[in-house]
Amino acid sequence: EAAVTQSPRNKVTVTGGNVTLSCRQTNSHNYMYWYRQDTGHGLRLIHYSYGAGNLQIGDVPDGYKATRTTQEDFFLLLELASPSQTSLYFCASSEDWGGDTQYFGPGTRLLVL
Amino acid sequence: AQSVTQPDARVTVSEGASLQLRCKYSYSATPYLFWYVQYPRQGLQLLLKYYSGDPVVQGVNSFEAEFSKSNSSFHLQKASVHWSDSAVYFCALSMSNTNKVVFGTGTRLQVLP
Repeated sequence: EAAVTQSPRNKVTVTGGNVTLSCRQTNSHNYMYWYRQDTGHGLRLIHYSYGAGNLQIGDVPDGYKATRTTQEDFFLLLELASPSQTSLYFCASSEDWGGDTQYFGPGTRLLVL
Repeated sequence: AQSVTQPDARVTVSEGASLQLRCKYSYSATPYLFWYVQYPRQGLQLLLKYYSGDPVVQGVNSFEAEFSKSNSSFHLQKASVHWSDSAVYFCALSMSNTNKVVFGTGTRLQVLP
């Protein structure tokens, strides 16, 4: 079974701070995704990638950058964090495109003060 | 625009009772449809998925879902729930021509002992 890990699991920062969320998947899946989960909104796609060096814009990309450095590693960057980015962030991977099963990490809870 | 609606934010049932969680989607073509479950402090896990064929799909842990094109629905069902089924359930839609998955807002299921 696919394994997706995220770090850190919890993060507190201040408004204007820099935050990097890390995600690693160990099954060499092609696709990786970053979502945020908020009450009343479900999961919303921030960015995704279909391979090292590739980046695609999701549905709620404002204020976020992402980088896929290897097949395994996908990072989400908040360069000027704002309180509106307080959320639960999930990384996921899938072998193929959106019709394939996605495997999720345990999530990172971010609080921006 | 493509969308997924889960009309019930919370559902409470007694252990041993039957269960139906509702999901309606909006998409003109045949979609990929998924049900994911999120247990406390964990990422999402796939319960079942559908693309074509038999409209009744069997999933993990005795869950099943029925696809209805005429009703644009993909309701999740279980004949007899257990207290361990308490979790948040997400319906999701993937369009055949994109790499994205659209999630519903989730239904929180509480099973009373």
